[in-house]
This record gives sequence, C-alpha cells and structure tokens, in this order.
Amino acid sequence: AQSVTQLGSHVSVSEGALVLLRCNYSSSVPPYLFWYVQYPNQGLQLLLKYTSAATLVKGINGFEAEFKKSETSFHLTKPSAHMSDAAEYFCAVILDTGRRALTFGSGTRLQVQP
Amino acid sequence: NAGVTQTPKFRVLKTGQSMTLLCAQDMNHEYMYWYRQDPGMGLRLIHYSVGEGTTAKGEVPDGYNVSRLKKQNFLLGLESAAPSQTSVYFCASKERDYGYTFGSGTRLTVV
Repeated sequence: AQSVTQLGSHVSVSEGALVLLRCNYSSSVPPYLFWYVQYPNQGLQLLLKYTSAATLVKGINGFEAEFKKSETSFHLTKPSAHMSDAAEYFCAVILDTGRRALTFGSGTRLQVQP
Repeated sequence: NAGVTQTPKFRVLKTGQSMTLLCAQDMNHEYMYWYRQDPGMGLRLIHYSVGEGTTAKGEVPDGYNVSRLKKQNFLLGLESAAPSQTSVYFCASKERDYGYTFGSGTRLTVV
C-alpha cells in the first residue's frame, strides 16, 4: 500500500504564479511529515517539516505546508514561483517510529515558465 | 565541515563485480540510512542502522549488504553487481529532532 502519494509527477507554472504540490499520506499513527527539494545532480535539501506542533509550517525559500489530518494531506505551497524553484520535490513521512526512516513519495518535478 | 560524506561520487561496474560505498558522518548521529533513487520511484530504503554494530533491512535489501563497525561509518556493499542496481545511492543520518542530513550521492552504473 502506498504510504505517501504525490499527485502529479510533473507540474508546470508560470513565473509569479502560485505553486501547489500535493501530498497525501496514509498512517495509523500521528505522522511526522517532510518536504525535500532536489536540484539537478544534487542531494536533498529540507524545505520544511511537521512534527506535531503548528499545523501550518513555514519553510525556506518562501514555501509553506499545512497539515490537514481530516484530509490526510500535507500540500506544499508558494505564493509566487521563481525560475530558481524549478526542481524535483519529494514529500516524505516517518511511519515507523522504531527505525525512524523516511518513506518518500515518488516526487513531483516543478517546471517554471518565464 | 560537519555533514555526510559519500565516496565515491561516480562509479561504473561490470556485471558481477563487487564494490563498497562508504558513508561517513562527523555529527555523532546514531541512526544512519542507505537509499537508492530511481526515476519515478522516489527514494527507497535499502538498509539502516540504529547504532554502532547494528544493521537492519529496509524495503529493497536484496543484493546489498551493510556494516556499521564504527559509529561514524556506514558501508554499503554489492557482492555481485547487476544492471538492476544502476541507480543513485544516498546515505543519510538522523539528528535527535528528526533532522536528516543527506550525502551528495553516488551515481552507480552497472553495465
């Protein structure tokens, strides 16, 4: 069973437009949720994380995400896209508090059009 | 500089050859992980370790072995490489507050 689902493997927006990247999870326990960004040929950089504090989480580079338990969602948003936001974005969740390993979604590639 | 260092960064292997990927961290983290990244599949957990001398299997452990003889090092071995193991491999370590530090990756091609 898919534990983390990212809707849309590719998303294209115009520069200055709203960015919305979707992430839904399945978990029987309160989750820890993360968004990571990967630029071409680089490693993963943490954008933000939710660890059961405020449901609206602000991250780096103007991104934020809202944890909605009723919808089992943790969508990533940014009000105004920049060309530099073009990258691949991964949603991740910790499902097993024993090994505390991240389980990743399949990723969404964001393209920003001038 | 504190962080996670992976060596090598690139490698080409012939089918059947063996190799070891090294992950080193200088942050005194207990938990360490090996992932592989394939297009359209995100990152998948191969093996992990919750402390020196301990290792355990993740979701895709077949064809790989690991060792954690020293706390700072986590080694990933391929005994007999197969083309299906062509991938980008990432190592990560975990801080106390669920902060994960990733290495820059090893791009492995098996021909």
